[in-house]
Amino acid sequence: DTGVSQNPRHKITKRGQNVTFRCDPISEHNRLYWYRQTLGQGPEFLTYFQNEAQLEKSRLLSDRFSAERPKGSFSTLEIQRTEQGDSAMYLCASSSGLSGNTIYFGEGSWLTVV
Amino acid sequence: GNSVTQMEGPVTLSEEAFLTINCTYTATGYPSLFWYVQYPGEGLQLLLKATKADDKGSNKGFEATYRKETTSFHLEKGSVQVSDSAVYFCALPGRSGGGADGLTFGKGTHLIIQP
Repeated sequence: DTGVSQNPRHKITKRGQNVTFRCDPISEHNRLYWYRQTLGQGPEFLTYFQNEAQLEKSRLLSDRFSAERPKGSFSTLEIQRTEQGDSAMYLCASSSGLSGNTIYFGEGSWLTVV
Repeated sequence: GNSVTQMEGPVTLSEEAFLTINCTYTATGYPSLFWYVQYPGEGLQLLLKATKADDKGSNKGFEATYRKETTSFHLEKGSVQVSDSAVYFCALPGRSGGGADGLTFGKGTHLIIQP
């Protein structure tokens, strides 16, 4: 297992710009999750995929956010017209979906909007 | 929906002290329970888990017992080290806003171990 991989690890962008994060889950994990974490808080659920299907989205995921998992393997999270409030760590996680549902996280992608 | 409450931090201890971080939960049924650890600037790592009542999860000297009577899953370690300094999150499946998939996390407890 190579673990969940995310890139870039850090991104600084100007307000109004678009950013995209990539996540490569553990191979053969069919479930993939995106979470957002701000300083001093626990991770908050954004969305998840079962294979290539996006099954649920949190109300935190405004229309400026879009996530894809085109072939059921890697996923991308795009934020359009970034705002300072988007500054956070974006965590990707994956699981096999089997009983017990252990979810494994990546190292996260830090976004700073200036 | 499911929810988790864990003690507020920061918790500051001296090296070799005994550690307890409290976690209580609200859930339908008896879901698996998890502790994750986050070192500065990094993602979350699974520390330990318990899948049913009375199970004890353990890893790296940390332990937690699934207590359905008190709906608790307190994290303990007999002798902490400076390298244990991190933020610890208690979690369970399901989300506070509804939905069965993914995890609901507590707010995290920042642990600081002084030499």
